[in-house]
Amino acid sequence: EAQVTQNPRYLITVTGKKLTVTCSQNMNHEYMSWYRQDPGLGLRQIYYSMNVEVTDKGDVPEGYKVSRKEKRNFPLILESPSPNQTSLYFCASSLTSGPRYEQYFGPGTRLTVT
Amino acid sequence: QQQVKQSPQSLIVQKGGISIINCAYENTAFDYFPWYQQFPGKGPALLIAIRPDVSEKKEGRFTISFNKSAKQFSLHIMDSQPGDSATYFCAARSNILVGGTSYGKLTFGQGTILTVHP
Repeated sequence: EAQVTQNPRYLITVTGKKLTVTCSQNMNHEYMSWYRQDPGLGLRQIYYSMNVEVTDKGDVPEGYKVSRKEKRNFPLILESPSPNQTSLYFCASSLTSGPRYEQYFGPGTRLTVT
Repeated sequence: QQQVKQSPQSLIVQKGGISIINCAYENTAFDYFPWYQQFPGKGPALLIAIRPDVSEKKEGRFTISFNKSAKQFSLHIMDSQPGDSATYFCAARSNILVGGTSYGKLTFGQGTILTVHP
């Protein structure tokens, strides 16, 4: 089954404790992104990756890191989480980012930072 | 910053009614306007999309109306059903240049929580 998987689905952590949210896709997609979803703010892009080893900042990159060493994986790293990073996070992938750009989203990771 | 403004934030409709969600944008370089549907506990999924050279697109009970001069587009759900209860996001695609190569970026609206009562 073609899909984007994320782990963990739920995470409660404390301020300052480094964490990684994994994302993997089995569709051989080039383009991957991370978003955060907050009430009233919609989906905001954190980072994106155009292909292996090429990443760039989205609209809200502060406090996050990413890496793209393999085509299928795009982990999101929070080096020192803070309470304002409490949010619902989505990883997404697409074959391209061309004119009929369809993103496939993972199931989400709900993160709480206390 | 490029923005897409979506309204209303929440919408309650009776079964069989018409649900209408509106979006407005400023950037005339947007070239593709998708709508995503998100059920509780799931990721968003593409529902329907339109290009700016078309004024309307219909897929089953879902229709996008696009007004290029007003820079507005809307989603109409006819004969709304309880199973349509979800969060809906409009979005718009733009081109960004990274290292001399052009890539697409989706900018999302704020989302609308639709509840359809039986």
